[in-house]
Amino acid sequence: DQQVKQNSPSLSVQEGRISILNCDYTNSMFDYFLWYKKYPAEGPTFLISISSIKDKNEDGRFTVFLNKSAKHLSLHIVPSQPGDSAVYFCAAIAYGGSQGNLIFGKGTKLSVKP
Amino acid sequence: ETGVTQTPRHLVMGMTNKKSLKCEQHLGHNAMYWYKQSAKKPLELMFVYSLEERVENNSVPSRFSPECPNSSHLFLHLHTLQPEDSALYLCASSQDYPGVQFFGPGTRLTVL
Repeated sequence: DQQVKQNSPSLSVQEGRISILNCDYTNSMFDYFLWYKKYPAEGPTFLISISSIKDKNEDGRFTVFLNKSAKHLSLHIVPSQPGDSAVYFCAAIAYGGSQGNLIFGKGTKLSVKP
Repeated sequence: ETGVTQTPRHLVMGMTNKKSLKCEQHLGHNAMYWYKQSAKKPLELMFVYSLEERVENNSVPSRFSPECPNSSHLFLHLHTLQPEDSALYLCASSQDYPGVQFFGPGTRLTVL
């Protein structure tokens, strides 16, 4: 059973518009969430994270929102740029629980068209 | 070299071969990880080492054998692999375990 789900395998957005990538989780013990970005032939690169005590974290064009009651988080990219085209992985970890490892979703492939 | 490096980047091997994947981290971290990424599947954690001791082994077949001689180096020894073992093998490290992980570029393994 997948504990971290990214239900959209792909997303296409026009340059300059907002990209919204979604992630759902099932384990209420998760207390830290991360987004990674992966280009072809490279390893995932850490992008942004959020602790469960917050509901929003912003870093430049990237903002992550956390809705604990819905067990849902999202990554907003504004404005989207062609260089943002990559696969985005959501990941979760339970620092305070028994699940000490990062659990990854399957990823969403974002394509930003000029 | 900076970050996390992996060699080789590509490897083709027969089912009877023995090979090793190497990972080196230049970040001063004390935890290292091996992941497997197969097509259309989430990243699968294989092994975790913290302070050079193995802390996780997620039911990985014995044909995969990890080695962590020091906190900067991690190996994955491969022998008698199967074609379904073909995948991208990623190494990662973190400051502590558990922690935010930084990944290497991966080794693309093909088993014939």
